[in-house]
Amino acid sequence: DVKVTQSSRYLVKRTGEKVFLECVQDMDHENMFWYRQDPGLGLRLIYFSYDVKMKEKGDIPEGYSVSREKKERFSLILESASTNQTSMYLCASTRVDYGYTFGSGTRLTVV
Amino acid sequence: QKEVEQDPGPLSVPEGAIVSLNCTYSNSAFQYFMWYRQYSRKGPELLMYTYSSGNKEDGRFTAQVDKSSKYISLFIRDSQPSDSATYLCVSGRGSFNKFYFGSGTKLNVKP
Repeated sequence: DVKVTQSSRYLVKRTGEKVFLECVQDMDHENMFWYRQDPGLGLRLIYFSYDVKMKEKGDIPEGYSVSREKKERFSLILESASTNQTSMYLCASTRVDYGYTFGSGTRLTVV
Repeated sequence: QKEVEQDPGPLSVPEGAIVSLNCTYSNSAFQYFMWYRQYSRKGPELLMYTYSSGNKEDGRFTAQVDKSSKYISLFIRDSQPSDSATYLCVSGRGSFNKFYFGSGTKLNVKP
């Protein structure tokens, strides 16, 4: 069974902290994504990557960065966490004829 | 105007009912359409994936795309309490970073 694994289900961080969210997929997919999900706003794309060391900004990249050093791993970094970054973060990977496979999500609270 | 619009619900139906979930999209160039199911505190999982217009059936689920009206539907026959979840519609063009999510419809199937 294919999997996208997010390292943490729940995180609580303080304002100003640097936060790392990790995502690993075992499907050898080229494309990986980070979304955030907020009530009433749906899923919004933060960053995506179509190859190792390649990254592209999504719709809401401000305050975030990403790293993809290996094909299977895509990390989201909050440079200086703020309370408006409290959200559910979802990692996904894709192959063209199947659609997204999502991880279970990380619920981040910034206090 | 959002690229994909979806009634947030909640929609409450008795067990065994036929459920109709609907979305509209704004861009006539969209060719890919997906439905995801998301249980509480979990990541979305793919239910249906269609290309272009027409119907696609999988067990109790039928996805329908009407490109002339830019309307996407998901029908659930013989609904079960285990179908209680939030359903997300997704639409877009060929590149996966060009996919757009509806905000989700929450469905509750009562025993």
